[in-house]
Amino acid sequence: DADVTQTPRNRITKTGKRIMLECSQTKGHDRMYWYRQDPGLGLRLIYYSFDVKDINKGEISDGYSVSRQAQAKFSLSLESAIPNQTALYFCATSVGQGTDTQYFGPGTRLTVL
Amino acid sequence: GEDVEQSLFLSVREGDSSVINCTYTDSSSTYLYWYKQEPGAGLQLLTYIFSNMDMKQDQRLTVLLNKKDKHLSLRIADTQTGDSAIYFCAEEDASGGSYIPTFGRGTSLIVHP
Repeated sequence: DADVTQTPRNRITKTGKRIMLECSQTKGHDRMYWYRQDPGLGLRLIYYSFDVKDINKGEISDGYSVSRQAQAKFSLSLESAIPNQTALYFCATSVGQGTDTQYFGPGTRLTVL
Repeated sequence: GEDVEQSLFLSVREGDSSVINCTYTDSSSTYLYWYKQEPGAGLQLLTYIFSNMDMKQDQRLTVLLNKKDKHLSLRIADTQTGDSAIYFCAEEDASGGSYIPTFGRGTSLIVHP
């Protein structure tokens, strides 16, 4: 079974709709992250959380919100989706010390029409 | 601020060596990473190098670090078609305790038979 899972894997929605992307992990890591990937722009950090009570904005948090419901779960919400939020979204986890390898989920492909 | 630069594409013939280059700006980076993203998947750690090293070898992979020029490279010997993927360089400053990596835009490696 995958250590970091994301649901849904693909989603098509319309402008103005609220949408939630979910991430779950079984690695027992405290740190979780949400990134978006756009062609030619690489990975950009949206939000990150160092533990259940900690939420931090990343490079591109405008238009997004997150919820850390438990150590294992970190959700990303788009309150009112717009077409330029069409992208591939990745959740990741890490331990937070030493060689702090990030473990990525398989991604959610979101299309906003 | 931190910035990580990579060329976007590299094309090589099967059996040749591939060299993917990366430059970074944060002189306090403690760890530098190479991640691989295969089509339709999330990123996976390939290898990393600690900033007090100048070379690391792991089977077909060789990582070279030139701290003076802030230049990191990944050499893949005997490149195979299965090595076709996007390769991301990332730097991480552990000195402040945040361990948030900064990713480059990714280099798409295309291996021709």
